[in-house]
Amino acid sequence: AQSVTQLGSHVSVSEGALVLLRCNYSSSVPPYLFWYVQYPNQGLQLLLKYTSAATLVKGINGFEAEFKKSETSFHLTKPSAHMSDAAEYFCAVSENRGSTLGRLYFGRGTQLTVWP
Amino acid sequence: DTAVSQTPKYLVTQMGNDKSIKCEQNLGHDTMYWYKQDSKKFLKIMFSYNNKELIINETVPNRFSPKSPDKAHLNLHINSLELGDSAVYFCASSQFLSGGAETQYFGPGTRLLVL
Repeated sequence: AQSVTQLGSHVSVSEGALVLLRCNYSSSVPPYLFWYVQYPNQGLQLLLKYTSAATLVKGINGFEAEFKKSETSFHLTKPSAHMSDAAEYFCAVSENRGSTLGRLYFGRGTQLTVWP
Repeated sequence: DTAVSQTPKYLVTQMGNDKSIKCEQNLGHDTMYWYKQDSKKFLKIMFSYNNKELIINETVPNRFSPKSPDKAHLNLHINSLELGDSAVYFCASSQFLSGGAETQYFGPGTRLLVL
């Protein structure tokens, strides 16, 4: 079974500071990993995903994440926070099921607050 | 030109009523999903359809019945609404690639409040 743990339900940073949102996963097979962002009263939007190519994945809005198999982690980072980054961030895992439709298992989310 | 749309956006109703939520995607995808997001923002899949065939059916009360009239539409009907059904319901779609690698595109959500 797959599961995702996001450490820290709330993270606050100052504008221009480093953003680090933590995600650890468990999976019995090689995983696919995703970060989604949810702005207030909106649906989820994909930031980036890891699908077994490069371990350092670059996404939209300057975000990137690194897949570390030994640490079962997929932490999300951004060098310099912007006010517009304030949102809820979800890490999700899906198992590689070949020809069978997979499903996403979401973490409980991390609310990012950016202070001016 | 909204990719995944849901109607209604807000739904306030009394306990015991029956209601439906509609979802449409114009991305040409072959797979659609329903998710429930609770008050603590936890997201859990409810159903998934691939080419109009039910593929994923999580442990959901049978008061919830999905229906996919065609690949572009997935509706959710809820009978005998209960207070615990209050949540945000998201529709999503994807194009099957290699099982599990697909990007899912989410609709804006339907905020259901049962009084």
